Amino acid sequence: GAVVSQHPSRVICKSGTSVKIECRSLDFQATTMFWYRQFPKQSLMLMATSNEGSKATYEQGVEKDKFLINHASLTLSTLTVTSAHPEDSSFYICSASGEEKLFFGSGTQLSVL
Amino acid sequence: AQSVAQPEDQVNVAEGNPLTVKCTYSVSGNPYLFWYVQYPNRGLQFLLKYITGDNLVKGSYGFEAEFNKSQTSFHLKKPSALVSDSALYFCAVRDVAGGGNKLTFGTGTQLKVEL
Repeated sequence: GAVVSQHPSRVICKSGTSVKIECRSLDFQATTMFWYRQFPKQSLMLMATSNEGSKATYEQGVEKDKFLINHASLTLSTLTVTSAHPEDSSFYICSASGEEKLFFGSGTQLSVL
Repeated sequence: AQSVAQPEDQVNVAEGNPLTVKCTYSVSGNPYLFWYVQYPNRGLQFLLKYITGDNLVKGSYGFEAEFNKSQTSFHLKKPSALVSDSALYFCAVRDVAGGGNKLTFGTGTQLKVEL
């Protein structure tokens, strides 16, 4: 069964609204979580790395005020896309790492109208 | 800095034939190498990894990959392809020297297996 749960799998929202995506590690403690963004037919681009209890480290070109990441516990990290716009439409994937394990969530397809 | 190259955007294979999806890498130290498969609108599924030991690594669904240090390659192979193998395949590398679990992905190769 899935060891990393990502929710929701699909979300459609209006421009200007905020969307929260959750990533949970189900049977291990994830000390580090990664958030990726994937455009159609392209590779995964790392957006940010978050360690439990500390601020996320964002990759160059990723707006930290736009993509808020919270990793308050060893089993949950959230990505909030604030004031979403159509150009934010993409497939977002989380990855959880800990206890020598690394697993990916099933992804969230975000469509901003 | 670590990097991965997947030179082929798409590979077409007839069912029953062997398949190869190519991957080359660049790291400053010893690499950890991975292959993942992605089906439409789904997350990544782990296929196999090389960390150390035998250069031929066997993974899920009958896939295997061969680590070649001199050619800095980690090509994915399967002796007999199935239509259900059609998907997007990603090679990834992690720099052992860099620490952590940060993976760098290739651009992906679309595998199409036809009857």
